[in-house]
Amino acid sequence: EDKVVQSPLSLVVHEGDTVTLNCSYEVTNFRSLLWYKQEKKAPTFLFMLTSSGIEKKSGRLSSILDKKELFSILNITATQTGDSAVYLCAVLYNTDKLIFGTGTRLQVFP
Amino acid sequence: NAGVTQTPKFQVLKTGQSMTLQCAQDMNHNSMYWYRQDPGMGLRLIYYSASEGTTDKGEVPNGYNVSRLNKREFSLRLESAAPSQTSVYFCASGDRTTDTQYFGPGTRLTVL
Repeated sequence: EDKVVQSPLSLVVHEGDTVTLNCSYEVTNFRSLLWYKQEKKAPTFLFMLTSSGIEKKSGRLSSILDKKELFSILNITATQTGDSAVYLCAVLYNTDKLIFGTGTRLQVFP
Repeated sequence: NAGVTQTPKFQVLKTGQSMTLQCAQDMNHNSMYWYRQDPGMGLRLIYYSASEGTTDKGEVPNGYNVSRLNKREFSLRLESAAPSQTSVYFCASGDRTTDTQYFGPGTRLTVL
């Protein structure tokens, strides 16, 4: 059965901390792995990863994929209260289907 | 450029009532999707449409039907709503050149 597992389920940190969110997957016909940020409403796209070992960066956020070990991490450095959200990992497989993990809820306190 | 739009934003139904959730995208994407999101379950695919005129079942299709009216619009119908269909519903459209999906704002549906 195809699945995507995220850990931890929940994380509480103080502003300025660095956090690492984990995503492991078991999916047939893997095409790419996507990270989304979800605040109150719709998920917003962060990164798409297709190749192993190539880091994607956007400001304080970065992500990398390991296709041999079947996982990805999302790093957030110098966290801010605006980073508080649910972070979703999803894997694109077969034609255009996405399978999502249950998400990691990050709370950043001042 | 509105992206993906959904109507309504909120809806309350009684068990057995029917309704249609509307979705439209203006990004000229071929693929469109309907997901539901429940606490602790993540997003689960209900139906998707890889192109105009085609639809296919996702992970949780029971109790739903869809129509890909044209390239822009993809509707989701609940023929006889049940309390188990209480959820937040998201429509998304996909860009095959980048494998990215873009989401609408969601519809919060409560079935009493």
